[in-house]
Amino acid sequence: EVQLLESGGGLVQPGGSLRLSCAAPGFTFSTYAMTWVRQAPGKGLEWVSTISGSGSTYYADSVKGRFTISRDNSKNTLYLQMYSLRAEDTAVYYCAKSVGPTKSDGIDYWGQGTLVTVSS
Amino acid sequence: QTVVTQEPSFSVSPGGTVTLTCALSSGSVSTSYYPSWYQQTPGQAPRTLIYSTNTRSSGVPDRFSGSILGNKAALTITGAQADDESYYYCVLYMGSGIWVFGGGTKLTVL
Repeated sequence: EVQLLESGGGLVQPGGSLRLSCAAPGFTFSTYAMTWVRQAPGKGLEWVSTISGSGSTYYADSVKGRFTISRDNSKNTLYLQMYSLRAEDTAVYYCAKSVGPTKSDGIDYWGQGTLVTVSS
Repeated sequence: QTVVTQEPSFSVSPGGTVTLTCALSSGSVSTSYYPSWYQQTPGQAPRTLIYSTNTRSSGVPDRFSGSILGNKAALTITGAQADDESYYYCVLYMGSGIWVFGGGTKLTVL
């Protein structure tokens, strides 16, 4: 059974940093692209970043240069390192698994999300 | 800046059929955009219904179907049920690893 277990959310001051993790037991993690999607309070879904099965990375313009996506295939874990956080980064961050290894493969499974609040 | 547009709201009667659409601010949606559709109820994580235009995700009933209608991606729900009342989001692949979500459609079943 596919499970996606996010952690690492919390309250952080503007300009601060935070690292989100997504543990992914239950499937051959290394062979799938993985994605982070966020949802600000009361708003819609926003694509944040994708990492392919081969490790290529892609970012939304809103986070490029501030966020870094990575994966540790030996630990079946996806990460999102966030720097220079802004109030507008406040959102629930969802980890999501793609149906295949490439950047154009859609999402099939979602985690339950972890809340990041950027506030002083 | 490419914008993906969905109907803000829609209503359907129980047992009825509804088609939600997903359009581009400029240009036509085709299968090359790998449209996907997600269902979300407030406070819950999204659930994947459709990916790659018309492939149903595991466990999704066949009353949910995806297609290209004219110049838009479409999600059709046949035999609407009360628990279909949710938000529905589409997402399109823009190339170069970039995805863009639509603003979502609030579906009411009444």
